[in-house]
Amino acid sequence: QVQLVESGGGVVQPGRSLRLSCAVSGFTFSDYAMHWLRQAPGKGLEYVAVISRDGNNKYYTDSVKGRFTISRDDSKNTQYLQMNNLRPEDTAVYFCARDLHWLPDYWGQGTLVTVSS
Amino acid sequence: QSVLTQPPSASGTPGQRVTFSCSGGSSNIGSSYVYWYQQLPGTAPKLVISDNNQRPSGVPDRFSGSKSGTSASLAISGLRSEDEAHYYCAAWDESLSGVVFGGGTKLTVL
Repeated sequence: QVQLVESGGGVVQPGRSLRLSCAVSGFTFSDYAMHWLRQAPGKGLEYVAVISRDGNNKYYTDSVKGRFTISRDDSKNTQYLQMNNLRPEDTAVYFCARDLHWLPDYWGQGTLVTVSS
Repeated sequence: QSVLTQPPSASGTPGQRVTFSCSGGSSNIGSSYVYWYQQLPGTAPKLVISDNNQRPSGVPDRFSGSKSGTSASLAISGLRSEDEAHYYCAAWDESLSGVVFGGGTKLTVL
């Protein structure tokens, strides 16, 4: 069955960096684009970034452009989100998700990132 | 402020049929598939409708979706207590080059 497992979340001070990982199983990773999304406490869903199947196309929401980088390693069936210069407003549960027609279908359980001094 | 517009709340009694609306524009719903997600408290979103009106494997046929122009809707018939959750619509936005979501509708089963 399709499984996505995020890791790497935690508490970090403003301005610092964090790298999230998403390990997948149950499908051919290289056949799919992949997403990162987030949900701030008590708030709705927000798109963060998406990476194409071949890794050549990457799109970001405006608020993270220049600070976050999405990447993938098909040999490890893993995608990543490098988050630099973190801000308090980046505090959220971060979800990775598999793509279907440029929209998420299967989601992981999420990892909590808290940006606080 | 979400790009897609959903009413914040809806309610129904067991056995009833409820519908959720989702309104957008020509750059998103008007030119993209619409997906619907169910999010139970403390859990990850689950896809219940893909490609405007397709039910993924395992989703009961009580769930149905439709799209017309720049609006979409989700319907749940034969409402059950376990349907109580937040429901989000989503579409790809060509102008933003990203996924846009509605703010979510909280369904209460009375």
